[in-house]
Amino acid sequence: DVKVTQSSRYLVKRTGEKVFLECVQDMDHENMFWYRQDPGLGLRLIYFSYDVKMKEKGDIPEGYSVSREKKERFSLILESASTNQTSMYLCASSFHFLGAREQFFGPGTRLTVL
Amino acid sequence: GDSVTQMEGPVTLSEEAFLTINCTYTATGYPSLFWYVQYPGEGLQLLLKATKADDKGSNKGFEATYRKETTSFHLEKGSVQVSDSAVYFCALDSGGGADGLTFGKGTHLIIQP
Repeated sequence: DVKVTQSSRYLVKRTGEKVFLECVQDMDHENMFWYRQDPGLGLRLIYFSYDVKMKEKGDIPEGYSVSREKKERFSLILESASTNQTSMYLCASSFHFLGAREQFFGPGTRLTVL
Repeated sequence: GDSVTQMEGPVTLSEEAFLTINCTYTATGYPSLFWYVQYPGEGLQLLLKATKADDKGSNKGFEATYRKETTSFHLEKGSVQVSDSAVYFCALDSGGGADGLTFGKGTHLIIQP
C-alpha cells in the first residue's frame, strides 16, 4: 500500500511564527504536491516538485516556500504565519510518467493560526 | 485550460437510494479521469479511474464511464449507505504538464438513515 504521511494532524501556531509541515511518501514517487483546502474553494495547489531540489509554484504560492532535499520528503514552510493561512493542508505524491499519475494523499494537517 | 465541473451540493439522499453525481470536463487531448473520496477529517482517497474513452471504472459499488462524446464522467451507485457520506472529487490528467491533476470543487454527499 502506498503511504503518504504528514507530520501532524492538528497544529496551532501564533501569528508571525515560522511553521514547517512535513510530508513523507514511501512509494518512490517522483512528483510531490502541497494543497490547501478551504470550504467552498476546493483544493488549491500551493507548490509542487517533480524531482529532488526542483520546485514549481502552483496557483497560490504567496506566503509559502517548499524544500525537497530527498526524494521521499517534501516540506511546506510558512515563513511568517498569518491568520489567513488557517486551513487544511494536504500533501500528495504520484509517479511522473503519463497514464499513472493518480495522486496519493496524506491524511492532512489542520493548521490554526491565532 | 483544463477544467472540471461538478455540483457542489450538499446532496442529501436516503439510505438505499440511487446516486448520481455529475462531472463534466474541458481538456485538451485524451485525459485520464478520476474520482476521489474524502471522508470527514481525512485526506483524499482514489475511488476509481478510467484512462480512455468508454472505459468504466468501478470500486466499492461505485461506477463511472468515460464518455468522450459528452465530456462526462458521472459517478453512480445503485444503493447508497450512511457510510458513503463524504465529499467526492472528480479530477482529470491531460498530461500537459508536471503540475498533475485538475480537480473539481467537490460534491458533499449526505446519506440519511
